[in-house]
Amino acid sequence: SQQGEEDPQALSIQEGENATMNCSYKTSINNLQWYRQNSGRGLVHLILIRSNEREKHSGRLRVTLDTSKKSSSLLITASRAADTASYFCATGLRDDKIIFGKGTRLHILP
Amino acid sequence: DAGVIQSPRHEVTEMGQEVTLRCKPISGHNSLFWYRQTMMRGLELLIYFNNNVPIDDSGMPEDRFSAKMPNASFSTLKIQPSEPRDSAVYFCASSFGVLGTEAFFGQGTRLTVV
Repeated sequence: SQQGEEDPQALSIQEGENATMNCSYKTSINNLQWYRQNSGRGLVHLILIRSNEREKHSGRLRVTLDTSKKSSSLLITASRAADTASYFCATGLRDDKIIFGKGTRLHILP
Repeated sequence: DAGVIQSPRHEVTEMGQEVTLRCKPISGHNSLFWYRQTMMRGLELLIYFNNNVPIDDSGMPEDRFSAKMPNASFSTLKIQPSEPRDSAVYFCASSFGVLGTEAFFGQGTRLTVV
């Protein structure tokens, strides 16, 4: 069963703009993770934020976590054509299970 | 390390045949996950192992699916008999699953059952 749900399902923006994707989840988590998947490939881990953290940065990525609202956001700044991919949030649960949402398809327009 | 290795990359089989998917996790990782990805259902967790022991197989769709992990470096997912609705991409992932860490994915096996 799905734990996380991303919003929007699809997003198209101009190169250079910022892209924001949101994720909502249902149960208590140990951590929340974001992954990227290029077409036809496996998922690649981007960033992990623990339940006691509120914000985390990695290069052009910024992730926030609000456990009271059971939600997270992923911001990609200064988007590039190479950022075109599907982005998934995943909840790391206390029993080490990792459950994925359905993803956001991001398309960067030249 | 070569990462998580899955085989085969592609499998086409006839309905009713047995299919075996294989996975070699990253050395030192103690959690292994099998996921199935389809357009309709997204990425579903089928089963996961911790220290070679199946912890949760509630995502396995039915008795036709079985998974084993005989040792820390090898796992199989078997479908017998296969059906067209089993067509999907099957991913194996591993992690050092203590207090929650990221999962490393293989390239997947694209299964087509005709």
